[in-house]
Amino acid sequence: GENVEQHPSTLSVQEGDSAVIKCTYSDSASNYFPWYKQELGKRPQLIIDIRSNVGEKKDQRIAVTLNKTAKHFSLHITETQPEDSAVYFCAASLGGYQKVTFGTGTKLQVIP
Amino acid sequence: GAVVSQHPSRVICKSGTSVKIECRSLDFQATTMFWYRQFPKKSLMLMATSNEGSKATYEQGVEKDKFLINHASLTLSTLTVTSAHPEDSSFYICSATPGSEGETQYFGPGTRLLVL
Repeated sequence: GENVEQHPSTLSVQEGDSAVIKCTYSDSASNYFPWYKQELGKRPQLIIDIRSNVGEKKDQRIAVTLNKTAKHFSLHITETQPEDSAVYFCAASLGGYQKVTFGTGTKLQVIP
Repeated sequence: GAVVSQHPSRVICKSGTSVKIECRSLDFQATTMFWYRQFPKKSLMLMATSNEGSKATYEQGVEKDKFLINHASLTLSTLTVTSAHPEDSSFYICSATPGSEGETQYFGPGTRLLVL
């Protein structure tokens, strides 16, 4: 089955700096890669996703890159704000209605 | 975006009792729903895939007789934790994909179960 590894497990940045979270996956057939943000005690919320036919996607301060050959993808958050503090999960899926495998999570702390 | 609800939001029960958790898609039909379990400060672990009108597909290591899943309609899936024990205490969360927005999965708010 799919295995998703995520690094770092914790990340502290100063407000305004950039944050980068990296993930690798094992199943070359995976073609859908969502990123979720989860605040304490709350449900995961989709923040951005990318499909395997695209190398990069950007939405305001958030961007995701995908390297299919190397089987890794990354989340980039620029101009970080205190409200960006949360746990971020990467995930991989075969797409469609298939199950999603989550990474281990990164706790991001943005220091004001 | 699509809305998924869960009930109850939290439940406390005695060891040996059974607890039922409901997951509803409020504004779309879901032939497939997913049930996850999340321990404190840990990731989401998929327990099973719930399929409307058929048996659920359980992940390796998940006891199907312990965690009963019923997906009787296109908007409702239930997870029943049978003969609960303290080690079953966890955050249980469901998700569903509307389909109209591609592969995006929407999560319910979760149910916090505490078994005494």
